[in-house]
Amino acid sequence: AQSVAQPEDQVNVAEGNPLTVKCTYSVSGNPYLFWYVQYPNRGLQFLLKYITGDNLVKGSYGFEAEFNKSQTSFHLKKPSALVSDSALYFCAVRDMRNYGQNFVFGPGTRLSVLP
Amino acid sequence: KAGVTQTPRYLIKTRGQQVTLSCSPISGHRSVSWYQQTPGQGLQFLFEYFSETQRNKGNFPGRFSGRQFSNSRSEMNVSTLELGDSALYLCASSFAGVKSEAFFGQGTRLTVV
Repeated sequence: AQSVAQPEDQVNVAEGNPLTVKCTYSVSGNPYLFWYVQYPNRGLQFLLKYITGDNLVKGSYGFEAEFNKSQTSFHLKKPSALVSDSALYFCAVRDMRNYGQNFVFGPGTRLSVLP
Repeated sequence: KAGVTQTPRYLIKTRGQQVTLSCSPISGHRSVSWYQQTPGQGLQFLFEYFSETQRNKGNFPGRFSGRQFSNSRSEMNVSTLELGDSALYLCASSFAGVKSEAFFGQGTRLTVV
C-alpha cells in the first residue's frame, strides 16, 4: 500500500536558521514524490517533485528536497528560513495502485519560523 | 496564466440539503481531481475526472458525486448533507501522467449546520 508519513506535527525554527521537514514513504514500484505548502485559508501550492535522476531536487522559494532510496525518505530543506515560510507542509506520493491518478498525502507538518 | 478557480469560496448549508461545488481547471489541463480536507482526516481523495470520464474514486459514500464537462470544468455534488461533511474541498488540475504535479484551487469551505 502507498503511504506517506511525516513524523513531526510541528517544527519550530528561528529565522535565518536552516530548516528540515521530514517525510518517509512506502510505495510499490518507483516513487513519484511531491512537496506542497498550504497557507491559511488557501489551497496547496506545489514546491517541488522527485521523479528520477539527481537525489537533490531544487524547487520554488529556495526549497530543496533530498531523496534517499535506502531510507525511503524525501526530506524538505531550506538553508535559511524566513518568517514567511511559516505554513503547513505536505509530502505526497502518486498512488500507483490507481495508476497514479491521485495523490496520497502525509498528515502535514506545521512549520513555525520565529523572528 | 489563470490558476484553478473554485466557486463559491464559502458555503453554509443545513443538514439534509444538497450542495454543488464548481471547479475551472487551468487551460489545457484535462485531469481534474477533488480532495476533502478536514483537521481529523487530513487530505483525502474523492475522485478524478479525465475527458469527461471518472477514472478513479476514493472511499467516500455515494452521496458524493461529480462530473466533468467538455471544457474540462468540473462539478462535485454532495447530497443529504451531514455535519461531518463540513470541510475544505479542494480541486486540482494537471496534465495527464504520473509525473505531473497538480495545481490546486483555493478551495470551497463548506460548513454544515
